Amino acid sequence: DSGVTQTPKHLITATGQRVTLRCSPRSGDLSVYWYQQSLDQGLQFLIQYYNGEERAKGNILERFSAQQFPDLHSELNLSSLELGDSALYFCASSVAAERTDTQYFGPGTRLTVL
Amino acid sequence: AQSVAQPEDQVNVAEGNPLTVKCTYSVSGNPYLFWYVQYPNRGLQFLLKYITGDNLVKGSYGFEAEFNKSQTSFHLKKPSALVSDSALYFCAVRAHYGGATNKLIFGTGTLLAVQP
Repeated sequence: DSGVTQTPKHLITATGQRVTLRCSPRSGDLSVYWYQQSLDQGLQFLIQYYNGEERAKGNILERFSAQQFPDLHSELNLSSLELGDSALYFCASSVAAERTDTQYFGPGTRLTVL
Repeated sequence: AQSVAQPEDQVNVAEGNPLTVKCTYSVSGNPYLFWYVQYPNRGLQFLLKYITGDNLVKGSYGFEAEFNKSQTSFHLKKPSALVSDSALYFCAVRAHYGGATNKLIFGTGTLLAVQP
């Protein structure tokens, strides 16, 4: 157990809908990262937050957004969902935002869009 | 651009035999290298990382990895494989410098199958 928690574990929804994925980082970690894992794209970095501020963006679609709250938990919002958004979404956390920091991953949320 | 290659989709090894999972990288400057393992329906678990110093890095569950700068490789090894080591292994790299992001760039993963 990495100490990173994600809810829900599974999410099944329809095209065009909006969902929210939640992540709680390890105690004391200030950085939160979101990744998408799919069969065709592999593991792709989406976005990073550090202590409430957006730190870096990856291949995140405009339909997706995220935020990190004062208690450091983070939410990833996915809207106007398409079939291709079906994937495993991981949250990871690290102590700070240094390049040497280890990122610890949560168990993931499996999103299925029908 | 930064990239990681895991040339083998699958590695098969008999229990008790040594195992190697290969990884090569491309990055500007000095790399920071990581290995993660993913069991079915689970998240990624951190195994080990190379930051600087000794080229041989020891990690969790008896795994180790050797950093080779001239060959731009960071192969994962274990002297004696266990059936319970069967899982999907990911190599990842992060550049030492270059922009604000410290995202991880992952390889495509190698499925390790250990036969009893």
